[in-house]
Amino acid sequence: RKEVEQDPGPFNVPEGATVAFNCTYSNSASQSFFWYRQDCRKEPKLLMSVYSSGNEDGRFTAQLNRASQYISLLIRDSKLSDSATYLCVVKFWYSSASKIIFGSGTRLSIRP
Amino acid sequence: DTGVSQDPRHKITKRGQNVTFRCDPISEHNRLYWYRQTLGQGPEFLTYFQNEAQLEKSRLLSDRFSAERPKGSFSTLEIQRTEQGDSAMYLCASSLPQDGGDTKEGKPPLHFGNGTRLTVT
Repeated sequence: RKEVEQDPGPFNVPEGATVAFNCTYSNSASQSFFWYRQDCRKEPKLLMSVYSSGNEDGRFTAQLNRASQYISLLIRDSKLSDSATYLCVVKFWYSSASKIIFGSGTRLSIRP
Repeated sequence: DTGVSQDPRHKITKRGQNVTFRCDPISEHNRLYWYRQTLGQGPEFLTYFQNEAQLEKSRLLSDRFSAERPKGSFSTLEIQRTEQGDSAMYLCASSLPQDGGDTKEGKPPLHFGNGTRLTVT
């Protein structure tokens, strides 16, 4: 079983729609969570951190459920420019080191 | 902040040749990571350094792969006797150890370079 799992998609939704992605993680010692966005043939870039209390940034809302070990990303009023791959990222510490694991990504395509 | 830079951007090589990639991290970052990414997959961890010490290596990193960070600044990733299966994007990233903690500052745990795209023919 992969340490971080995502639905690969693709999600193909019309402009203005609301879309949600989930991500599950297997290591209960995981302590920090992030969503990265990756455009085609570009490097991943941080979209938002996921805080224990949940957080919102404009049209984007991230939630964390530690009991069920999943995080989610909700995009409201989607724009054409939201088309990208969304990567779930989990960081956990062990001893004095840390490990950062990426999911395989969920592809999102917004159509006019 | 000049960001993380990687060189070359693209590399085409024939099977069996050796290749070396370079990564220059953000200057104050003491952690440096190498990841590999193939089409349709997320970045897969290869190895990371804290200063000049290589703290962890993935099982993905076969004996043909070696990474160095001799002075704790730039790093090189060498692949010997390349195989077609080595074709991928090789991503370098850097961070400070405390980045990515559960704080409201929201510092990204990893700052990526543009990557080196390797094609083995």
